[in-house]
Parts: sequence; structure tokens; C-alpha cells
Amino acid sequence: DAKTTQPPSMDCAEGRAANLPCNHSTISGNEYVYWYRQIHSQGPQYIIHGLKNNETNEMASLIITEDRKSSTLILPHATLRDTAVYYCIVRVNQAGTALIFGKGTTLSVSS
Amino acid sequence: NAGVTQTPKFQVLKTGQSMTLQCAQDMNHNSMYWYRQDPGMGLRLIYYSASEGTTDKGEVPNGYNVSRLNKREFSLRLESAAPSQTSVYFCASSEVSSSGANVLTFGAGSRLTVL
Repeated sequence: DAKTTQPPSMDCAEGRAANLPCNHSTISGNEYVYWYRQIHSQGPQYIIHGLKNNETNEMASLIITEDRKSSTLILPHATLRDTAVYYCIVRVNQAGTALIFGKGTTLSVSS
Repeated sequence: NAGVTQTPKFQVLKTGQSMTLQCAQDMNHNSMYWYRQDPGMGLRLIYYSASEGTTDKGEVPNGYNVSRLNKREFSLRLESAAPSQTSVYFCASSEVSSSGANVLTFGAGSRLTVL
């Protein structure tokens, strides 16, 4: 019963922006939105997180709607190396100390 | 900058054998975690340790035990391995920021096959 909904898969052309959506309509006021990605079978890699404001770092931008019920991860210039499974996470365990992963979105970047 | 180190990377066991997966982090994080990932699935939390000296069950703890040996090390033990425990195991560590954000750093994974 993950608290997020993501499309199972998306395609993107190399060099274009990849916009990955996530719905989290039951998010609580103090819950962060985290994005991770997993390339092939490697360990998940942290990308970005946010609470209310939009965030940007060297990897991506995170746009959170004003009502916080959805967000979009933006990879501004996708490359073949960005092909991965992208996880949007808001759910933590009852103790509030561990992230609970869903199935994510498989992003395929092609030339 | 090692981050989170897991050993072994690969292991094959026979049903009923026991083994311990080792995890160590060098970031002075308080919290550590063990997840498993089955083919085509997301990660599922097995056990976690919010701080040195404490451990708690996650989503799928049955068949596993853990030990938080010290602040750096968190081991996962399979006492009697079963084919259903064939999976890739990931260890992670984190430190909750002053704002409440909890960003995890993951190891490279340990691929376990139980025959």
C-alpha cells in the first residue's frame, strides 16, 4: 500500500528533458518527497528531496505542487546513462525512520 | 570515500545453511537498514537500526536476525536459508537532518542464491 503512484514506464529521447510524475495525494504536512534511482542492479542512488518548495541540484529539479499532492522530477538533458528505475518515496515506516519503496518508473532513454 | 560497504558481493548457499551478510559505513551515521530486492520488484525493508544498540523489524523480518555490532557495522544473519530468500540484499545508512529529512546512502548489494 505504497503512498505514491508512478507510471510503470516512460521513454525519453537523449538530450531532451525527462519529466517523471508522481502522485502522493495522502501525503502529510511534515512528510518529505524523496527521489532515488537504481541503475540496472546497483544500489539505489539518492537524487533529490523536498518538502514544500521546488528544489534543484546538480542532478535534477523537483517540482512540488502547491497542494503537495503530486510532484515531478525533471532531468533537464537526459543521457543514455539516465536509463534506470526511478523511485518516488513519501512513505516511511511507523517509527518514521525508514523509507518504504514502491515499484517506481522505468525510464528508458534512447538515442 | 567508501560510504557503505557490503560483503560478500555474491554467495551461493544450500537450503538449511546459515550465513551472515556484513555491512559497514564510514559516514558516522546513526541509522542503518537492510532491504531485499526480488526480481522486478522494489526494495522491501527487512530490519533497521535507528541508533547503536537498537534494532527493529521492518516489512519482511521472518527468517532473519540482525546485530548492530557498533555504530559502523550492521550484520544480517540467515540461520537456515530457504530458496525464498534468494534475492539481492542492500544495506543502507542515514542521518536524520535537523529539518527532519532522512536521506539514505546504499551499498552496492549482496546477491544471494539459495539452492
